[in-house]
Amino acid sequence: GAVVSQHPSWVICKSGTSVKIECRSLDFQATTMFWYRQFPKQSLMLMATSNEGSKATYEQGVEKDKFLINHASLTLSTLTVTSAHPEDSSFYICSAKDYGKEKLFFGSGTQLSVL
Amino acid sequence: EDQVTQSPEALRLQEGESSSLNCSYTVSGLRGLFWYRQDPGKGPEFLFTLYSAGEEKEKERLKATLTKKESFLHITAPKPEDSATYLCAVQAYSGGGADGLTFGKGTHLIIQP
Repeated sequence: GAVVSQHPSWVICKSGTSVKIECRSLDFQATTMFWYRQFPKQSLMLMATSNEGSKATYEQGVEKDKFLINHASLTLSTLTVTSAHPEDSSFYICSAKDYGKEKLFFGSGTQLSVL
Repeated sequence: EDQVTQSPEALRLQEGESSSLNCSYTVSGLRGLFWYRQDPGKGPEFLFTLYSAGEEKEKERLKATLTKKESFLHITAPKPEDSATYLCAVQAYSGGGADGLTFGKGTHLIIQP
C-alpha cells in the first residue's frame, strides 16, 4: 500500500527557534497534502491544505506566517514552525492523497516539544 | 460546520467480548466517512471508507456500517492487539476541492486478556 514518510518523529527545541517537518509520499504522487495537529486526547485538527506548486490554504485560526508550508514537488511537503513557543508543542501529522483516489494516507507524526 | 461525535470516549472489554463503537455526524454533503486506527504516538492507519447509507465493509474482526446520520464500527471477538484509539472522520463535498477530513475525538478501546 501507499506509504507516507514523515520526519522527524520527535523534536525538542528552544523557544524562539524554527523547526521544519518533512512529509514525503514514497510510492505515489501526491498533488495534495494535509497538515494536522493533535493535542493529547483530542481529535486531529486540520491546519492547512498543501497543493503542489501553489500556496497552501489555511484553516481559520491558523497563522500562515507562523506555520509555513511548502509543497515544491509531487512527493514532498514541508511544515516549518517559525519562532516556536511552548504552546506550539503538539503532535503534527501529515497526510497525502493519491491522485485520483479518495483514500488518505497518514505519516507517522512528529511530536514537537518546545522548551 | 461539519461535526463528528464519537461514543463512548473509552471502552474496556474482555477478550472475546463483542461490542460496537458509534460515530454520529453532521455534514453538508457526505463525500465519504472514514474509520482509522491510531496507536499511541503514531499516525492514523486506514481501515475503511463508506460512501452511502446502507453500505457495509468488513476486515477481519471489524465491520463498519453507515446510515444517514451515523456509522458503527462493530468489533467481534476482539483480541488484545485490537487495543487502540479508533477515529471516525468525514469528508464533505465542497465543489470540487480535495478536502481534508473532519475527525471525531476517537474511542479509546482496551481489550483485556
